[in-house]
Amino acid sequence: SQQGEEDPQALSIQEGENATMNCSYKTSINNLQWYRQNSGRGLVHLILIRSNEREKHSGRLRVTLDTSKKSSSLLITASRAADTASYFCATDAGRGSEKLVFGKGTKLTVNP
Amino acid sequence: DGGITQSPKYLFRKEGQNVTLSCEQNLNHDAMYWYRQDPGQGLRLIYYSQIVNDFQKGDIAEGYSVSREKKESFPLTVTSAQKNPTAFYLCASSTRNGWGNQPQHFGDGTRLSIL
Repeated sequence: SQQGEEDPQALSIQEGENATMNCSYKTSINNLQWYRQNSGRGLVHLILIRSNEREKHSGRLRVTLDTSKKSSSLLITASRAADTASYFCATDAGRGSEKLVFGKGTKLTVNP
Repeated sequence: DGGITQSPKYLFRKEGQNVTLSCEQNLNHDAMYWYRQDPGQGLRLIYYSQIVNDFQKGDIAEGYSVSREKKESFPLTVTSAQKNPTAFYLCASSTRNGWGNQPQHFGDGTRLSIL
């Protein structure tokens, strides 16, 4: 399976601190995506990084991709209570595949 | 506003009963997906459809069926053959550009429980 695996499984921080989540995957990918899921809701797409990109920013989010290590990280800077959610990475299921394979997620709690 | 609507939000199934979960999108997306999410787990793909009147099995299709008669709609039926249907079901859609996967837009899910 080409499933991404997030690390840590759970993370608890104080408001204003930075949160870093990691994702490892097994085989070559076209791109990697990060999603957020608030409790009891659907997933929301955050950012897509292509295999030929090393870093991407979107607001307070910074994503890095290291294809040699088959890993990605999501950094949320200056976290807020509203960032409390589960975060998932998703990789394509093979070259040209339009299916995504999701990891089990990191549950982030930001304490006010 | 464009988006994906899933209904109902909560659904209860009796023994031996088939139930159908609705998914409608007005994003003009070609591709649609159904996922199952169990507590503390990631998403597992049940079925997906890249074009009207065509769909493919995902990783856990047994006990489920779908149809794609209209671009906007992709209903999922949980049949009595699915012995452990209690889960959170998510529908998603995406554009297609012929080059791998695109960001997926999700509905807010249907929580299915057994009576």
